[in-house]
Amino acid sequence: DVKVTQSSRYLVKRTGEKVFLECVQDMDHENMFWYRQDPGLGLRLIYFSYDVKMKEKGDIPEGYSVSREKKERFSLILESASTNQTSMYLCASSLGNNQPQHFGDGTRLSIL
Amino acid sequence: AQSVTQPDIHITVSEGASLELRCNYSYGATPYLFWYVQSPGQGLQLLLKYFSGDTLVQGIKGFEAEFKRSQSSFNLRKPSVHWSDAAEYFCAVGASVTGGGNKLTFGTGTQLKVEL
Repeated sequence: DVKVTQSSRYLVKRTGEKVFLECVQDMDHENMFWYRQDPGLGLRLIYFSYDVKMKEKGDIPEGYSVSREKKERFSLILESASTNQTSMYLCASSLGNNQPQHFGDGTRLSIL
Repeated sequence: AQSVTQPDIHITVSEGASLELRCNYSYGATPYLFWYVQSPGQGLQLLLKYFSGDTLVQGIKGFEAEFKRSQSSFNLRKPSVHWSDAAEYFCAVGASVTGGGNKLTFGTGTQLKVEL
């Protein structure tokens, strides 16, 4: 079974801090994704990557950046955290284009 | 751009009753369609997928979905709901993007409550 592991289930940070969310997958998947999930809004794509060192903006990239130095790891970075970035963050990976995405359990991030 | 509409925010059914969750999509080409389920505090789990071929697809946990191109729909069904099916359900459409890769666009979800 594919395993997507997010480093923290819960995280509390302060406004203005630089925040790192880490995601690791163990199935040699090409594609990796970061979403945020908010009530009533479903999942919205922040960034995705289809190869090492490659990244593409999703639908809501403002205030975020990403890093993919190794195939198995995809990091989401909040450069200067703000309260409107309080949310559930979900990482996913897929084998290739239009293949099913496999999700981690999510990180619930609170910015105070 | 592709989009997905799940018109029902909340649905309540009795245990043992049948279930249908609605999903309508908008996409210019042949879509790749998915249904996912999310239990509280968990990530999303794939229930089933449609890529091509038979328009009735079977998934895990006794779920099925039917692709109807003429109606741009991909509704999820289960003949007899169990209390453990209470969760949030998401429909998604996949599309290729310029420059490579692909992405999913998700609906806003339907929260299913099961009454015992």
